[in-house]
Amino acid sequence: QVQLQESGPGLVKPSETLSLTCSVSGDSISSYFWSWIRQPAGKGLEWIGRIYTTGTTNYNPSLKSRITMSLDTSKNQFSLKLSSVTAADTAVYYCAREGASGSYRPFDYWGQGTLVTVS
Amino acid sequence: DIQMTQSPSSLSASAGDRVTITCRASQSIGSYLNWYHQKPGKAPKLLIYGASSLQSGVPSRFSGSGSGTDFTLTISSLQPEDFATYYCQQSYSTPRTFGQGTKVEIK
Repeated sequence: QVQLQESGPGLVKPSETLSLTCSVSGDSISSYFWSWIRQPAGKGLEWIGRIYTTGTTNYNPSLKSRITMSLDTSKNQFSLKLSSVTAADTAVYYCAREGASGSYRPFDYWGQGTLVTVS
Repeated sequence: DIQMTQSPSSLSASAGDRVTITCRASQSIGSYLNWYHQKPGKAPKLLIYGASSLQSGVPSRFSGSGSGTDFTLTISSLQPEDFATYYCQQSYSTPRTFGQGTKVEIK
């Protein structure tokens, strides 16, 4: 069974950098795309970006200038850094796997989510 | 970016009701449409992928249809555990985008 677990500080000061790690078990990150998605309280889901095993990344243009994603295959982890945060970045952050499912690539496995507050 | 618009934003229904939620894409996305539901405090869960394929382990009362720009999620007989918020999501291109959600509440 594939499991994902987010970790990182729950509180970040404005203008600083938010850093989160997603640890994957039950599958190797050396395949599939791995995404970060966030959800402000009471609001909808926003895709932040994704990284592939080769290190190839795709970022949401709305956040692109502030995002860095990386992966560590030796630890089976991938990470997100979001710089220059403001209160608008306060949200629950999820990591998720973009599965194969034919060519449709739905998000088939998700972490439980971690709340990051900017204050 | 491809915009995803769901309707309605919320609905009230009773257990046993047939429920239909629609999702419209701002451009054609073929069948690259996925459906999720989310319960309070939990991560979204995949229900349908490729517009109409049922994810493993998901009850058969859930079904999806559509292609191009217009899609539908149907719950044939609403169960108590189905009260949640439902999201559509396109996987045709990046950035991946979600609908704004449809909250299914108890009447």
